[in-house]
Amino acid sequence: SQQGEEDPQALSIQEGENATMNCSYKTSINNLQWYRQNSGRGLVHLILIRSNEREKHSGRLRVTLDTSKKSSSLLITASRAADTASYFCATDETGANNLFFGTGTRLTVIP
Amino acid sequence: GAVVSQHPSRVICKSGTSVKIECRSLDFQATTMFWYRQFPKQSLMLMATSNEGSKATYEQGVEKDKFLINHASLTLSTLTVTSAHPEDSSFYICSARDQPLANYGYTFGSGTRLTVV
Repeated sequence: SQQGEEDPQALSIQEGENATMNCSYKTSINNLQWYRQNSGRGLVHLILIRSNEREKHSGRLRVTLDTSKKSSSLLITASRAADTASYFCATDETGANNLFFGTGTRLTVIP
Repeated sequence: GAVVSQHPSRVICKSGTSVKIECRSLDFQATTMFWYRQFPKQSLMLMATSNEGSKATYEQGVEKDKFLINHASLTLSTLTVTSAHPEDSSFYICSARDQPLANYGYTFGSGTRLTVV
């Protein structure tokens, strides 16, 4: 399967704490993307990191990419209750014309 | 920015009937659109890649005759679930690309919740 693995599957933290989610994939990629999905809703694109980049920031989000380990992490700093959602990594694989999604992490931020 | 409109957002149908879901790119032309299926608390699984003017490419295990895909124009792809059964109940999401490979260009629809009773 080309689907990536994410861990943890579920994460529950207190508001204000940081949340870290990890993603591992199997193939060569052009880029890796992180998405957010509220329950029963569509996907919201959060951030994209290209294969030649190692770290990227966007607001309270920090993404790292280690192509040698085929892994990425998403850090959400100073979490808020509104950050409660499922987070998915998705790989844009070399030679493929679509995205392959990870298994997702369900984040709950407790007020 | 690029917008993809997906309709309906929710549909309930009886077993044995067919349901059509539309995916439209509103402000760009999409030669390629993608259809995903998502079961509760699970990830998105690619069902098929829809190519304008040609046959869709289905992922392994997805029944072509069950999930009919039509991409007749550069702004519209449709997914028809034929002879629906309760096990087809799921969340279906489409996406479209508006930029070349290696650049972010995937825009997702808001999804369709299909319930077959």
